[in-house]
Amino acid sequence: EDKVVQSPLSLVVHEGDTVTLNCSYEVTNFRSLLWYKQEKKAPTFLFMLTSSGIEKKSGRLSSILDKKELSSILNITATQTGDSAIYLCAVEDNNDMRFGAGTRLTVKP
Amino acid sequence: DGGITQSPKYLFRKEGQNVTLSCEQNLNHDAMYWYRQDPGQGLRLIYYSQIVNDFQKGDIAEGYSVSREKKESFPLTVTSAQKNPTAFYLCATGSTGSSNQPQHFGDGTRLSIL
Repeated sequence: EDKVVQSPLSLVVHEGDTVTLNCSYEVTNFRSLLWYKQEKKAPTFLFMLTSSGIEKKSGRLSSILDKKELSSILNITATQTGDSAIYLCAVEDNNDMRFGAGTRLTVKP
Repeated sequence: DGGITQSPKYLFRKEGQNVTLSCEQNLNHDAMYWYRQDPGQGLRLIYYSQIVNDFQKGDIAEGYSVSREKKESFPLTVTSAQKNPTAFYLCATGSTGSSNQPQHFGDGTRLSIL
């Protein structure tokens, strides 16, 4: 059965800390892995990863895919309170997209 | 302003009532999706459509119905057969084929039982 597992489910840090969020998956016909940030409403797109070992970076956020280990990590450096959100990992195959349960990140001042 | 419009933002359903959630897009995307989000769970796929007049069931289609008469519109009906409809519903669009673009999401509709 296809599945996407994220860890940890929740995380509380202080401003300035660095965090690493994990996503592992088991899907057939893998096309891509995506990271989304969800605050109060719809998820907003962060990264799409299709190739193993190539880091994608946007400001303090970065992500990398390991197709051999069937996993991806999302790193956030120098965290800020505005980073508090649920981070969703999704894996796309030929037909649809399957989401993990999300990691709830809380950044305290 | 290009994007996905979901309406209403909040919806209340009475027992035995069917309700329809609207999703309209002007992104010219072929594919449209409906997801349901419950607390502590990831998004679960209800239905998706890759072309007009065609749609497929997702993981939790029971108690729901959809139509895709126009490319821009993919309404979701929550029927009385759905015994636990309280959830946050997200509509998404995406391109098909090999363009490998991420899905775009609407702002969601929160459905509650009266």
